[in-house]
Amino acid sequence: QVQLVQSGAEVKKPGASVKVSCKASGYTFTTYNLHWARQAPGQGLEWMGVINPSGGSTSYAQKFQGRVTMTRDTSTSTVYMELSSLRSGDTAVYYCAREDLVFGFNIWGQGTMVTVSS
Amino acid sequence: QSALTQPPSASGSRGQSVTISCTGTSSDVGGYNYVSWYQQHPGKAPKLMIYEVSKRPSGVPDRFSGSKSGNTASLTVSGLQTEDEADYYCSSYAGSNNLVFGGGTKLTVL
Repeated sequence: QVQLVQSGAEVKKPGASVKVSCKASGYTFTTYNLHWARQAPGQGLEWMGVINPSGGSTSYAQKFQGRVTMTRDTSTSTVYMELSSLRSGDTAVYYCAREDLVFGFNIWGQGTMVTVSS
Repeated sequence: QSALTQPPSASGSRGQSVTISCTGTSSDVGGYNYVSWYQQHPGKAPKLMIYEVSKRPSGVPDRFSGSKSGNTASLTVSGLQTEDEADYYCSSYAGSNNLVFGGGTKLTVL
């Protein structure tokens, strides 16, 4: 079945970087854009950016420009989201999601909790 | 890019209808017919309920409907059921390959 499986929870110190993976299965990896969003504890969803798995092109939310990098590995059908210069405000659940309807995300990963703490 | 504005909470009795608003600007909600709505239960990933303002993905009950007028989109849930109690988020395309979410609305079924 179609699914996105994300890597496990991470605990990082302020100033460090984190790299979260999202492995796609059950469909042709290069067919659909994959987005990243995050949700801080008790807060709403925040869009971070999108990657086209076919060509690797990316678009990032202005808030994360310069701190986020999204990449993909077509040989393993995996996309990655790396966030650098972490601070406590980056503590959140990070989700990948497939855009299979125009800017509508019908398939989501299970989420990855990233905790930033000294 | 500022978050879209949603009321923090909404409520309705079982069987009644409730409407949740999502207000943006002419650069997002008002400028494109790419508004989506998501339902999120505690500890779960969001679930797509509406896309392109008013379309329902396969499997979503027709009790859920969407609409838009100007810079404000709306989600209406008719015939409220206990399982509809959840957080609801709108999102909109905002141009230049950008997306923006609303702040979320907690729906309580009385």
